[in-house]
Amino acid sequence: SQTIHQWPATLVQPVGSPLSLECTVEGTSNPNLYWYRQAAGRGLQLLFYSVGIGQISSEVPQNLSASRPQDRQFILSSKKLLLSDSGFYLCAWSKTTTYEQYFGPGTRLTVT
Amino acid sequence: GENVEQHPSTLSVQEGDSAVIKCTYSDSASNYFPWYKQELGKRPQLIIDIRSNVGEKKDQRIAVTLNKTAKHFSLHITETQPEDSAVYFCAAMVQGGSEKLVFGKGTKLTVNP
Repeated sequence: SQTIHQWPATLVQPVGSPLSLECTVEGTSNPNLYWYRQAAGRGLQLLFYSVGIGQISSEVPQNLSASRPQDRQFILSSKKLLLSDSGFYLCAWSKTTTYEQYFGPGTRLTVT
Repeated sequence: GENVEQHPSTLSVQEGDSAVIKCTYSDSASNYFPWYKQELGKRPQLIIDIRSNVGEKKDQRIAVTLNKTAKHFSLHITETQPEDSAVYFCAAMVQGGSEKLVFGKGTKLTVNP
């Protein structure tokens, strides 16, 4: 069966510091991968998606970036965090042959 | 682009009653509509989905209906239980090969014992 991992689970970072969040998927190959952000009490905002290694599409212009160095690894980064970057960051995957998206456990980021 | 509207934003029912959450979408080419349940502090979990070639789908106490002509779909929960309390999100898939989902803003369901 497929499993999706995210780390760290929680993170507290000062404004202006860098960020690196990692997501990996097990048990499948060539998945579509997604990064979402959820502000407190709000909906799900798609940040990036990837249909293959090195292929990244950005949905929202901001100070975040994403990379996919390996087939089942998806990384979300920032060079300088803003207060508004606080939120719950969720990675998700889907098979290219079906539509169902499954979410990872998430990283709760607080920028202070 | 696709836009998904979800109503109501909050819903409170008594245990055993039914709950209905409605969503409308704008892109008539959308063909996949999932529903997610998110408990406090947890990840969204896929609970049921429907494709545009189907009008209704059931899974025990949960059902989803789709009206393609009107571009709306609904989640029905019967015999609600306290553990059904959560935030529910609907979504519609954007066509174009990326399989992107556009989500509604969510409905907070509270089931009172």
